[in-house]
Amino acid sequence: QSLLTQPPSASGAPGQRVTISCSGSSSNIGDNIVNWYQQLPGTAPKLLIYTNDRRPSGVPDRFSGSKSGTSASLAISGLQSEDEADYYCSAWDDTLNVLVFGGGTKLTVL
Amino acid sequence: EVLLLESGGGLIQPGGSLRLSCAASGFTFSNYPMNWVRQAPGKGLEWVSAISGTGTNTYYADTVKGRFTVARDNSKNTLYLQMSSLRAEDTAIYYCAKDLAAGGILDSWGQGTLVTVSS
Repeated sequence: QSLLTQPPSASGAPGQRVTISCSGSSSNIGDNIVNWYQQLPGTAPKLLIYTNDRRPSGVPDRFSGSKSGTSASLAISGLQSEDEADYYCSAWDDTLNVLVFGGGTKLTVL
Repeated sequence: EVLLLESGGGLIQPGGSLRLSCAASGFTFSNYPMNWVRQAPGKGLEWVSAISGTGTNTYYADTVKGRFTVARDNSKNTLYLQMSSLRAEDTAIYYCAKDLAAGGILDSWGQGTLVTVSS
């Protein structure tokens, strides 16, 4: 069981907005940055959001991240079929001195 | 363009050893920490290990501590993962990933190499 808790699934219709939550604790999200990764089927993960709310070059502004206390969220607006993927949050844990990933959320575009 | 190319995966018997390599190009390798992340079939991502740019500092998940050793050769732009006492639960795709700033910001990933531990 991961130290970061994500819902196993999420869904939305094309054009809608969906959010994916990531809940942690004071030793990980509470004290460190949160990063989000997108993994399309059969491919390696890709950095989607870093340092809580920053987008790497090339990531559409439909993707946004936020963090408050010991929780973080990924929002995807204007949902598109190509957004169908697994999404993972991640943060360093100061107590265990390890990098932790959430269990992942499978996003389905209806 | 950053390129990371893993190799060394394959089928290995329980209790055996294997060394993975990750050849890096397109950036100044020694300036960046590197990580290994694995993904068991049909499962989520699991962080395995990290190493600082100089190789001085290393970090491991509890599940592999004492069995896996991470190393790097900055003269060859190559990252390694020496795995021993392998178990069935180590079966996974192993990815190497470049860390942007030692905060776990894995901004570039390889395509992965599959390790299967089975008799």
